[in-house]
Amino acid sequence: DTAVSQTPKYLVTQMGNDKSIKCEQNLGHDTMYWYKQDSKKFLKIMFSYNNKELIINETVPNRFSPKSPDKAHLNLHINSLELGDSAVYFCASSLRRTSSSYNEQFFGPGTRLTVL
Amino acid sequence: RKEVEQDPGPFNVPEGATVAFNCTYSNSASQSFFWYRQDCRKEPKLLMSVYSSGNEDGRFTAQLNRASQYISLLIRDSKLSDSATYLCVSHAGNMLTFGGGTRLMVKP
Repeated sequence: DTAVSQTPKYLVTQMGNDKSIKCEQNLGHDTMYWYKQDSKKFLKIMFSYNNKELIINETVPNRFSPKSPDKAHLNLHINSLELGDSAVYFCASSLRRTSSSYNEQFFGPGTRLTVL
Repeated sequence: RKEVEQDPGPFNVPEGATVAFNCTYSNSASQSFFWYRQDCRKEPKLLMSVYSSGNEDGRFTAQLNRASQYISLLIRDSKLSDSATYLCVSHAGNMLTFGGGTRLMVKP
């Protein structure tokens, strides 16, 4: 199936731990994103990579480090997890947008992170 | 003030009803707008783009008013399967900015 996939789907962990979430897309897209959706359901961009290069880095604590080994993968590593990191993290991908055009973003199924 | 604002709802409507959602945005540099749909515990999916001239896709009509900086979505003849959260989205530069969503519940 052509899609954006994420692993794991659920992640429950203790404060202070380090964890990673993996994302892969087989849509042939060149741009990938990480979003965070908090308990109030606001979906907010965290990072965007185009051809393995970081192009968007919103105000995110440096405990969050994205890594893009190739165009089809964008992983998210989180150090020293805090209670406030509990949220659903969505990966997405698209073709690169120019300033005047928009290419649809396709989202993965989400990773529900709970920090205890 | 949030960049994209929506009434969170929920809007509870009977099957067959017509329902309208509005959304306001504050970034006048926003170039384009969209409605995404998100089912409970699922990922968002693009529903439709929004154009100044208005556009229609079956039972769904979207409209953009740049002067007033608001976007609307009209759903006619609501179906049970329309129950979801509808996210208003603006596009500026390389970024999408999502509203908090409006929850719709269609009841039999």
